[in-house]
Amino acid sequence: AQSVTQLDSHVSVSEGTPVLLRCNYSSSYSPSLFWYVQHPNKGLQLLLKYTSAATLVKGINGFEAEFKKSETSFHLTKPSAHMSDAAEYFCVVSDSNSGYALNFGKGTSLLVTP
Amino acid sequence: DGGITQSPKYLFRKEGQNVTLSCEQNLNHDAMYWYRQDPGQGLRLIYYSQIVNDFQKGDIAEGYSVSREKKESFPLTVTSAQKNPTAFYLCASSIGRGSAYGYTFGSGTRLTVV
Repeated sequence: AQSVTQLDSHVSVSEGTPVLLRCNYSSSYSPSLFWYVQHPNKGLQLLLKYTSAATLVKGINGFEAEFKKSETSFHLTKPSAHMSDAAEYFCVVSDSNSGYALNFGKGTSLLVTP
Repeated sequence: DGGITQSPKYLFRKEGQNVTLSCEQNLNHDAMYWYRQDPGQGLRLIYYSQIVNDFQKGDIAEGYSVSREKKESFPLTVTSAQKNPTAFYLCASSIGRGSAYGYTFGSGTRLTVV
């Protein structure tokens, strides 16, 4: 069975400082990994996805994530936070065992302060 | 433009009543999914379908039913057996079997039991 653990339910950073949102996963199969963002009262938007090619994945809006198989981690980072980054972030795993349905973590709420 | 249409956006249901949420896609995607979102819980998979006339239970299928008579449509019925149906429901589709990519989400239906 696959699962995702987002290690922090809330993260607060100052504008202009780095962002780190942590995610660990478990999967018995070769997983696909994603990060999604959900702004208040908006739909889900794909930030980036791991395709088993490059372990460092670059996404939109300056976000990137590194797949570390030995640590079963897929942490999301951004060098400098912007006020518009405040949102809910979901780490997601998918594999063939569940028909490639997306398995979501519980989410991390990112607060960016001036 | 191609996409997923969920209707209605807001839905109110009396206790003991069944209610059906609509999900239609014109993306020619084979696979479709229903998720439930609760605060602090992320998204949880209710049902998924990889092909017409076939569907599988997700993690929280109890109290829900689905059908997949057409490729474009995947309606979800919330039955009176669902103990706590008040939630935000998201429908999604993807390219198909063997792929976790090309996911598209609808804008959701917020169901409230009154």
